[in-house]
Amino acid sequence: LAKTTQPISMDSYEGQEVNITCSHNNIATNDYITWYQQFPSQGPRFIIQGYKTKVTNEVASLFIPADRKSSTLSLPRVSLSDTAVYYCLVGAGTNAGKSTFGDGTTLTVKP
Amino acid sequence: NAGVTQTPKFRVLKTGQSMTLLCAQDMNHEYMYWYRQDPGMGLRLIHYSVGEGTTAKGEVPDGYNVSRLKKQNFLLGLESAAPSQTSVYFCASSYREFEQYFGPGTRLTVT
Repeated sequence: LAKTTQPISMDSYEGQEVNITCSHNNIATNDYITWYQQFPSQGPRFIIQGYKTKVTNEVASLFIPADRKSSTLSLPRVSLSDTAVYYCLVGAGTNAGKSTFGDGTTLTVKP
Repeated sequence: NAGVTQTPKFRVLKTGQSMTLLCAQDMNHEYMYWYRQDPGMGLRLIHYSVGEGTTAKGEVPDGYNVSRLKKQNFLLGLESAAPSQTSVYFCASSYREFEQYFGPGTRLTVT
């Protein structure tokens, strides 16, 4: 399995930038790295996906070093509504059977 | 577009009973997935499908069966429910290895 390791929890304050790192040492050559956000009693929601280097969209950036053994989700200027659990997923698609969500990082944003 | 829908939203079973969870998507996605999420934990992949008529085992397939007779539907069956299968079940679909779209979940309690 493409196991991932993330910090269990993180605290931040409104307006700060938050960086959450995920380790995935046994990532396969054709695996993508995808980050999801989950609120209580809801299904996960896609944030961003990348394969290498840097990807940016309207809500986040994803940094992936050359060896691809880790990735960092960057959330600029968080707000209270960003309080959620964040998961990184490595694989999926044809590698779905080898991928796992892990236990995620609970981000708490304080006023 | 309804996206991904799941039926039912809640269900209570007695040990040994059987049931089928239905997942439907209207995005013409090839890939579909069934996950379970236990309290305070991440999602674990039960089974997945990369196309109509094909299914494959995920991380925790024991005690479950699936069928993908139509592209838009993915059924998850429990033949003989056990208390250990009490969980929230999420269905998802995706276009190949790209972002997964999740349904709202089914909360199952087995007594």
